[in-house]
Amino acid sequence: EPEVTQTPSHQVTQMGQEVILRCVPISNHLYFYWYRQILGQKVEFLVSFYNNEISEKSEIFDDQFSVERPDGSNFTLKIRSTKLEDSAMYFCASSGQGLETQYFGPGTRLLVL
Amino acid sequence: DAKTTQPTSMDCAEGRAANLPCNHSTISGNEYVYWYRQIHSQGPQYIIHGLKNNETNEMASLIITEDRKSSTLILPHATLRDTAVYYCIVRVHGGATNKLIFGTGTLLAVQP
Repeated sequence: EPEVTQTPSHQVTQMGQEVILRCVPISNHLYFYWYRQILGQKVEFLVSFYNNEISEKSEIFDDQFSVERPDGSNFTLKIRSTKLEDSAMYFCASSGQGLETQYFGPGTRLLVL
Repeated sequence: DAKTTQPTSMDCAEGRAANLPCNHSTISGNEYVYWYRQIHSQGPQYIIHGLKNNETNEMASLIITEDRKSSTLILPHATLRDTAVYYCIVRVHGGATNKLIFGTGTLLAVQP
């Protein structure tokens, strides 16, 4: 069964460093998403991406964040200068069409020291 | 904010049916009810969704009341691996946004 994959599973970084989280969505999907979950809190929407551009973003998704689909298979989330409060699980999701079911990856646990 | 209300936690005996309720009294006509679950900080896992008819798949059944103001997710024979946080999410089809808005969900603890 097709699934969303994410790498790395864990990432530890120093405050101020740049990190790139990678996702491989389900192959025939067209819509891509990033969510995050701070430990003990709700899953929060960050951004949705379609046709090589951001279709929606939340207030959390400020200028420190960017997304990219560098090739036909990967979808990345970049945090330019990490802060302590960026420590969270980051989940990638994809859907075939925008209104169809979103399928989530296993997540990347980011720890900013 | 989430447009659904769920109990914070529930217990269920292994092998018995788990019935998880959800209130969505402000649901509108074009909003679907989705259920996801999250097992211990893993990625949310899609379970089932429906509009107004009851739905069943290999994982669960979804019962939606006639007025659509509430629904129940049924896991027919709960196992220990069903211990998770279950999220009920209402989501419009045909609206301006695709995002899922997660609440705090129900922590289902399946007891041996």
